[in-house]
Amino acid sequence: GAVVSQHPSRVICKSGTSVKIECRSLDFQATTMFWYRQFPKKSLMLMATSNEGSKATYEQGVEKDKFLINHASLTLSTLTVTSAHPEDSSFYICSATRGELYNEQFFGPGTRLTVL
Amino acid sequence: GQNIDQPTEMTATEGAIVQINCTYQTSGFNGLFWYQQHAGEAPTFLSYNVLDGLEEKGRFSSFLSRSKGYSYLLLKELQMKDSASYLCAALDSNYQLIWGAGTKLIIKP
Repeated sequence: GAVVSQHPSRVICKSGTSVKIECRSLDFQATTMFWYRQFPKKSLMLMATSNEGSKATYEQGVEKDKFLINHASLTLSTLTVTSAHPEDSSFYICSATRGELYNEQFFGPGTRLTVL
Repeated sequence: GQNIDQPTEMTATEGAIVQINCTYQTSGFNGLFWYQQHAGEAPTFLSYNVLDGLEEKGRFSSFLSRSKGYSYLLLKELQMKDSASYLCAALDSNYQLIWGAGTKLIIKP
């Protein structure tokens, strides 16, 4: 159990367009979902934490209007990269936790975004 | 500030044992994680320690010393598929994960 899916796995888009990435917990209800960004050969950078039905908490330096997060249900969170630019090209990974404690995070497979 | 330190890269031989160290400084502490990440893939969970001591899980073991702010991941009987990055992450008092930059482990035949 504890599978997290992410869609799409890869996306290539033109500069100025918006891209939506979905994160789903397939066999459990996720109390909290996290969105990370990872640059090549770098560690994970937490972008935001989202709880179902409430606004996401963004990390310092992450633009809320640029990276829109919607946590519509206990099994679905979406990240929309608005007006994407080449510098937004990255590997975006979501993770989810279950239960009250922030213990083990279950990661999705990641989405490779390339903005031309 | 909060900080996680781990070596950038390590090399080991197939069949051997390797220990990857991690030191942490966090505001409060609620446990330490080790994740494995193959190139181009998302991390996968390896271990979680919150009490001092060694936790063994098959070929992988993880150790924690809270008083020293230190943990290590021990990999035995190394296989070529163990070539990956190993991420150390500490959970602070606000239950936020503080990530290390990862240790790239290269396994040679």
